[in-house]
Amino acid sequence: GAVVSQHPSWVICKSGTSVKIECRSLDFQATTMFWYRQFPKQSLMLMATSNEGSKATYEQGVEKDKFLINHASLTLSTLTVTSAHPEDSSFYICSATPVGSYEQYFGPGTRLTVT
Amino acid sequence: AQSVTQLDSHVSVSEGTPVLLRCNYSSSYSPSLFWYVQHPNKGLQLLLKYTSAATLVKGINGFEAEFKKSETSFHLTKPSAHMSDAAEYFCVVSKPGGYNKLIFGAGTRLAVHP
Repeated sequence: GAVVSQHPSWVICKSGTSVKIECRSLDFQATTMFWYRQFPKQSLMLMATSNEGSKATYEQGVEKDKFLINHASLTLSTLTVTSAHPEDSSFYICSATPVGSYEQYFGPGTRLTVT
Repeated sequence: AQSVTQLDSHVSVSEGTPVLLRCNYSSSYSPSLFWYVQHPNKGLQLLLKYTSAATLVKGINGFEAEFKKSETSFHLTKPSAHMSDAAEYFCVVSKPGGYNKLIFGAGTRLAVHP
């Protein structure tokens, strides 16, 4: 139980284009989802926290107009990287918290490469 | 403010020998502490967590960790390493209770040799 999926697992896009990453909780409803960024051989950094039906809360230094987060349902959150640049290339990981729980379950991650 | 320091970026052991991954934390209050494992192409998996109950915490796959407040440490151990234990391990700290941020350590890559 408590499986989180991400789609796509790997995406290449050209500089200046936008790319959307989906995070789904497959067998539970998630009131809260989190988005993390992981640089090569480095740790995870929290980007934002999203609650279903409300605006995401972004961490200091994260551009909310560049990283658009939508949490439209209890099983789906999306992260859109707008006007992507090579420095946005990274591994993006989401996590989801089941209703009534504080534990985070992590997705497998999405590797974004911007050329 | 909270932080975690994983003292080794790489640890290499032989199969069947003990594993020790070291973690020190800094927190102005009694924290919740976690160990997560990350295998390639798989999501982070929770190994174990400490939330102010027993100081010796047993987790999955034979791993355990001991919370030592006097040493501000939460080291992860396993008596006998398996090849399948090779992965990246993260020590994580959080404020207890509620939707609080997880603060990740830099990670320790564990290699297991035959």
